[in-house]
Amino acid sequence: DVKVTQSSRYLVKRTGEKVFLECVQDMDHENMFWYRQDPGLGLRLIYFSYDVKMKEKGDIPEGYSVSREKKERFSLILESASTNQTSMYLCASSPGDQTGELFFGEGSRLTVL
Amino acid sequence: AQSVTQLDSQVPVFEEAPVELRCNYSSSVSVYLFWYVQYPNQGLQLLLKYLSGSTLVKGINGFEAEFNKSQTSFHLRKPSVHISDTAEYFCAVSYPTGFQKLVFGTGTRLLVSP
Repeated sequence: DVKVTQSSRYLVKRTGEKVFLECVQDMDHENMFWYRQDPGLGLRLIYFSYDVKMKEKGDIPEGYSVSREKKERFSLILESASTNQTSMYLCASSPGDQTGELFFGEGSRLTVL
Repeated sequence: AQSVTQLDSQVPVFEEAPVELRCNYSSSVSVYLFWYVQYPNQGLQLLLKYLSGSTLVKGINGFEAEFNKSQTSFHLRKPSVHISDTAEYFCAVSYPTGFQKLVFGTGTRLLVSP
């Protein structure tokens, strides 16, 4: 089975702190994604990556950056956390099979105080 | 613009009753369609998908969905729900051109009560 592992299930941070959310997949997938999920808004794409060291902005990239130094790892970085970044963050990966099917991690619930 | 509409934000239903969760998408070209389920405090897992072929797709946990190209719909159904089906359900679409990204609906919360 494909496994996508997010390093932290729950985090509490203070405004202005730098936050790292880590994601690792074990199925050699080319593509990796970061979404945030908020009630009533569904899933919104923050950033995605289709290859090592490659990244593309999604629909809501402001306030976030990403890093993909190895194929299996995709990190989301909040340079200076703000309260409006309190959310559930979901990492996903997909193979390059042209269907777009995603495999998700368990999610990281971030609270910024 | 590509979009997916899930008109019902919440669907309450009694145990053992049938249920239909509606999904409509915007497209004039071929699409791939997906339903994902999210149980409380968990990530999303694939329920079923339509890539091609038969328009009636069967998934896990007794769910099925029917692709209707003329109505651009992909409604999810289950003939008899269980308490354990209480979850949030997301419809998603991808378009077979360019880089594959899923576009998600806003989700439908299914609430099954005894």
